Amino acid sequence: AQSVAQPEDQVNVAEGNPLTVKCTYSVSGNPYLFWYVQYPNRGLQFLLKYITGDNLVKGSYGFEAEFNKSQTSFHLKKPSALVSDSALYFCAVRENAGNMLTFGGGTRLMVKP
Amino acid sequence: EAGVAQSPRYKIIEKRQSVAFWCNPISGHATLYWYQQILGQGPKLLIQFQNNGVVDDSQLPKDRFSAERLKGVDSTLKIQPAKLEDSAVYLCASSLDPGFNQPQHFGDGTRLSIL
Repeated sequence: AQSVAQPEDQVNVAEGNPLTVKCTYSVSGNPYLFWYVQYPNRGLQFLLKYITGDNLVKGSYGFEAEFNKSQTSFHLKKPSALVSDSALYFCAVRENAGNMLTFGGGTRLMVKP
Repeated sequence: EAGVAQSPRYKIIEKRQSVAFWCNPISGHATLYWYQQILGQGPKLLIQFQNNGVVDDSQLPKDRFSAERLKGVDSTLKIQPAKLEDSAVYLCASSLDPGFNQPQHFGDGTRLSIL
């Protein structure tokens, strides 16, 4: 069965500093990985995905993520955090061409001025 | 492009009552999903439709939950009777097709509170 772990409930970072939100996954086949962001009282917004190809994936709002097969990780990164990046971030995995997207429990990102 | 529309935004009912949620996906999106998001957790898939057919409902509590997408466009999710543990946000999402590389587009959800 596929699963996703986000080991940090909350990440705190100062504005202008780099940020990393961690995600590890478990699948029996090829993983297809996604990051979504959720603002208060809103639905999830797609940020980026890894399907195949380059391990470094660039997405919306300056975010990027690095796929590491040996460590089964897909950490979300941004070189310089903004206060407006404060939100709930979800990592998700889909196994091969399967139908179900499995989400992690989410990580709250707090960016302080 | 208009996003995924859901209504109502909020609903408060007593346990054992029934409730229904409505979703209109992005125009042209063949695949529609219903998720349950309990406070502090990630979304959990309840049911997936491809056009008007069910693709996956393995995690839908079928003794109390039902969903339909009769004309392959909008969809309704019903709970009858509701239990306290059904308190959650119910999210609808859609995608062009069920392909593994297609991102899902989410509505803002319906927040359900059971008293």
